[in-house]
Amino acid sequence: KNQVEQSPQSLIILEGKNCTLQCNYTVSPFSNLRWYKQDTGRGPVSLTIMTFSENTKSNGRYTATLDADTKQSSLHITASQLSDSASYICVVSVKANNLFFGTGTRLTVIP
Amino acid sequence: GAVVSQHPSRVICKSGTSVKIECRSLDFQATTMFWYRQFPKQSLMLMATSNEGSKATYEQGVEKDKFLINHASLTLSTLTVTSAHPEDSSFYICSASKYDRGSYRLTEAFFGQGTRLTVV
Repeated sequence: KNQVEQSPQSLIILEGKNCTLQCNYTVSPFSNLRWYKQDTGRGPVSLTIMTFSENTKSNGRYTATLDADTKQSSLHITASQLSDSASYICVVSVKANNLFFGTGTRLTVIP
Repeated sequence: GAVVSQHPSRVICKSGTSVKIECRSLDFQATTMFWYRQFPKQSLMLMATSNEGSKATYEQGVEKDKFLINHASLTLSTLTVTSAHPEDSSFYICSASKYDRGSYRLTEAFFGQGTRLTVV
């Protein structure tokens, strides 16, 4: 059973619109949660990394939130661009070398 | 963030031959490197964890004699797919971390660009 669930599986939005991706996890004890962007045929690139005490962290147009009580995280993308089309992967760490990967959300931004 | 270089980005080989994939941490010393395999539209699957100077730890179901991992230095790890078969065709990705003595933890993992292996 996958212990990191992401939703939606896929999403299509118009360029310039905002969107929010969800990540729910059940793994514990929690160490940190990371959001990665993975372009097709490329390795994942880190967007944010959040520890237990952090609720919000921004990286340009990307804003991640974390609710450690409900074990939920979200990634909000503002003013989407065509280059945002990619898979977004939520990764939860129990120990720093024990990572649990979500199945990802495939985002497509259309003009 | 740190830079991890993976080479080659694409490789096509004949069935029965061996292929070596390199993973280099360019601007930090990576005490630990991870090798993943990713099938289309699926998440990354951890194959093995390698610590510099010691034998790799393989995940269940991963054949260590088929997927040879070497981590001889703090900046280089290699994955060799031996006697490759068409079912080995996949996207292979490495990531590298270093140990932070202050927090007693491995730092964030930085991923390579991935290698698309096609066995014909």
